[in-house]
Amino acid sequence: QKEVEQDPGPLSVPEGAIVSLNCTYSNSAFQYFMWYRQYSRKGPELLMYTYSSGNKEDGRFTAQVDKSSKYISLFIRDSQPSDSATYLCAMTVMKTSYDKVIFGPGTSLSVIP
Amino acid sequence: NAGVTQTPKFQVLKTGQSMTLQCAQDMNHEYMSWYRQDPGMGLRLIHYSVGAGITDQGEVPNGYNVSRSTTEDFPLRLLSAAPSQTSVYFCASSFLTGQETQYFGPGTRLLVL
Repeated sequence: QKEVEQDPGPLSVPEGAIVSLNCTYSNSAFQYFMWYRQYSRKGPELLMYTYSSGNKEDGRFTAQVDKSSKYISLFIRDSQPSDSATYLCAMTVMKTSYDKVIFGPGTSLSVIP
Repeated sequence: NAGVTQTPKFQVLKTGQSMTLQCAQDMNHEYMSWYRQDPGMGLRLIHYSVGAGITDQGEVPNGYNVSRSTTEDFPLRLLSAAPSQTSVYFCASSFLTGQETQYFGPGTRLLVL
């Protein structure tokens, strides 16, 4: 079993839809959770960062962590064509464990105008 | 600021050839790292450095060498290229205060024939 699992998609939604992207993980010690957005042929860029359980909102994006279920989600409201990208989840045990960040394989999202 | 820059953008090698992938950052970050990204595998850490003169191995270091003589530069050397090293390579950097602020370069696409 991989440490971090993510449905690769592709996920295709109409403009304006609510998108839900999810990751599951097996290591209960993970405490820091990140979402990266990666446009085609570009490097990943940090989108959201959360610590432990709960929700965090930033504009149209909400990151949710459920540690009891070992499940994290990224919700995108009012999705736009510019949101079309691959979304990578990532997680680590300690804030400064730079060599221990585990990335999911990414979910490809297309938002159709 | 240019951020994290990588050269070349694309390279074709023959099996057994060697080459160096260049990475530079102008943000005075202490931490730099190299990842490879393969379909369905997520980003995997190759080597990393927490400062000039200090390097260490990541998850998949075999076949790669690194050195860090300056804060700005972190080159990755392929000693004897193999088809299994066909991948997209990303360099990343951050301050040592938190993994959540990791910045990625645009990537180098490598094809080994």
